Amino acid sequence: DAGVIQSPRHEVTEMGQEVTLRCKPISGHNSLFWYRQTMMRGLELLIYFNNNVPIDDSGMPEDRFSAKMPNASFSTLKIQPSEPRDSAVYFCASSWSRALYEQYFGPGTRLTVT
Amino acid sequence: QKEVEQNSGPLSVPEGAIASLNCTYSDRGSQSFFWYRQYSGKSPELIMFIYSNGDKEDGRFTAQLNKASQYVSLLIRDSQPSDSATYLCAVNQFSGGYNKLIFGAGTRLAVHP
Repeated sequence: DAGVIQSPRHEVTEMGQEVTLRCKPISGHNSLFWYRQTMMRGLELLIYFNNNVPIDDSGMPEDRFSAKMPNASFSTLKIQPSEPRDSAVYFCASSWSRALYEQYFGPGTRLTVT
Repeated sequence: QKEVEQNSGPLSVPEGAIASLNCTYSDRGSQSFFWYRQYSGKSPELIMFIYSNGDKEDGRFTAQLNKASQYVSLLIRDSQPSDSATYLCAVNQFSGGYNKLIFGAGTRLAVHP
């Protein structure tokens, strides 16, 4: 099993640019989570999908952030326009809904906005 | 008050000693408790979970839960330098009709030879 796949692994962009992060969950998992990790705020849940449907997006910081899951094997997190305070490591995780909390994390995308 | 609190550390222990990592949570309705390990520059990985009061052992790891005191701990026996990592406590929260995991900020453990 390849595990959760994320791309890109590193992204450096200028303030105001659009950033798109991608995630492929583990095959067979039907729950997908986007997290953001910073030193100041720790690991925060941004949004959670179940069977491709957004269930809880209360953690999405503001309208600049959007997430989609067009099918069971792909999700995107988009930031437009990006700001320096968005700099963080963004993790995607997946699980089987009957074991919702046994989440498997991808390697993360380190985003730097200058 | 943070929902899940951990001492940030670092907790420094000598090789072979017992490392004790602690976590408190605020939501009395929480029923599921997890410990994730995160090596520097890597992603979190689940190492233990506990649902019932008492102790749960898995190899060198023991998770302890006291729901009355809203307290979870992780003991690592015979600590090894390879155990040096940040340990994240996570607790389920039922809010708005949905369950989700709330993570603590993590405790950094350093095991020195």
